[in-house]
Amino acid sequence: DAMVIQNPRYQVTQFGKPVTLSCSQTLNHNVMYWYQQKSSQAPKLLFHYYDKDFNNEADTPDNFQSRRPNTSFCFLDIRSPGLGDAAMYLCATSRGGDRGHNEQFFGPGTRLTVL
Amino acid sequence: DQQVKQNSPSLSVQEGRISILNCDYTNSMFDYFLWYKKYPAEGPTFLISISSIKDKNEDGRFTVFLNKSAKHLSLHIVPSQPGDSAVYFCAVKAAGNKLTFGGGTRVLVKP
Repeated sequence: DAMVIQNPRYQVTQFGKPVTLSCSQTLNHNVMYWYQQKSSQAPKLLFHYYDKDFNNEADTPDNFQSRRPNTSFCFLDIRSPGLGDAAMYLCATSRGGDRGHNEQFFGPGTRLTVL
Repeated sequence: DQQVKQNSPSLSVQEGRISILNCDYTNSMFDYFLWYKKYPAEGPTFLISISSIKDKNEDGRFTVFLNKSAKHLSLHIVPSQPGDSAVYFCAVKAAGNKLTFGGGTRVLVKP
């Protein structure tokens, strides 16, 4: 089945210790997104890639970086995690283009704990 | 500045009855409105959408209504089933590839 896969599902890191979350997709979609979701809040878009073009949200902290080495994979790097970065991180994909409702397909998420 | 608001954090309904979820938005330039459903330990999954040029879209037990003058969106689930117990997010799409989500409404359907 075509899908969006996130690894690991649970990640524990120490305050200030860099961490990388990964996402892969078998849908061959052009666009990949990273969202941060804190408890009982809306998923908040951090950035997205349209093919190789990187699009950062204006309010995404510099502490968050992303890499997309190929169509299938996208990584979220948190350079110096703080306690406030503990959250669920969701990866999503979509076909792209500006037609239709642009359905996004989500992975199961990675829950990050910062000690 | 929240562009999308779901004012009811939770909803409890008896099996077989109607569930009504509400969503308000601020920007009249949104062109599509979507509902996503999320079970625990899973990512959100797309449920139903509506274009800004329509006022109703129906898919089986799920109907979405759009009131553009009130900037209000609602999702009706009828009849509600225990498997519908989940968190429901509304989302809006403007031009481009981005969605903006509301804070979610947790629905509990009691048998």
